[in-house]
Amino acid sequence: QSALTQPRSVSGSPGQSVTISCTGASSDVGGYNYVSWYQQHPGKAPKVMIYDVTKRPSGVPDRFSGSKSGNTASLTISGLQAEDEADYYCCSYAGSVYVFGSGTKVTVL
Amino acid sequence: EVQLVESGEGLVQPGGSLRLSCEASGFIFSTYPMHWVRQAPGEGLEFVSSILGDGSHPFYADSVKGRFTISRDNSKNTLYLQMGSLRPEDMAVYYCARDGPTGWHFDLWGRGTLVTVSS
Repeated sequence: QSALTQPRSVSGSPGQSVTISCTGASSDVGGYNYVSWYQQHPGKAPKVMIYDVTKRPSGVPDRFSGSKSGNTASLTISGLQAEDEADYYCCSYAGSVYVFGSGTKVTVL
Repeated sequence: EVQLVESGEGLVQPGGSLRLSCEASGFIFSTYPMHWVRQAPGEGLEFVSSILGDGSHPFYADSVKGRFTISRDNSKNTLYLQMGSLRPEDMAVYYCARDGPTGWHFDLWGRGTLVTVSS
C-alpha cells in the first residue's frame, strides 16, 4: 500500500492550464477505473473534484477534468483561477482498500 | 443538513487507546459504506478503514490492522473507530467520509478530529 506518486508542486498564471500526474501500479490505478481527485484548502476538509477517473460531481466547475492511461491518472485544471490554489490528492481503489497520492500543491502565480 | 461530525479528540500516551465517533445527519446512514481517513500534521491523506452499510466487511490499512476496529450503530447514525496500541505515528486529524452514491470515492467529509499521541 505505497502512496501514489504525484509531483510535489505545480504552478501557473491565471487563465493557464496545469496538469497533475498520479502514478501507481497495476494493482491500483491501472487495475480499476476508480480514481478520484480531492482538493484541500488549508485547515479544511478535502472535497471531491473528480471520481471514476473522469466524472465531475455536481457543482464542480468544468475547468476540472480527469483522465487515465495505464498506471497513470491525471487531473487538468483549465483556465486557472485564484481559488484553485490548494493541495490536490489523487486516490485509487486498490481492492478492498484505497491508496492516496502524496499530494500536489497548486500555486496560482 | 447533510453532514458528518467527528468527536473523540484527545491526547493519549503511546500504547494507549481512544475511540472516535462520527455522527451522520441529513441522509439515510445505513445505506452508505463509510470510511476513516487520516492526515498527520503537514502530511498527506491516508486511508485508514472502511465498513459497509450493514456493518459487514470491515477493511483496514496495513498500518493499523490488528490495532484499530471500525464499527457502526445505524440506530444512532454513528460510525466509530476504536484505536488501540497507539503509536506516535498515529497522531493525525481523523476524518470520517461517506462513500459516493456510485461507490469508490468519498463524497462527504467531516471536519476532522485531532488525535495526539505523546508521552
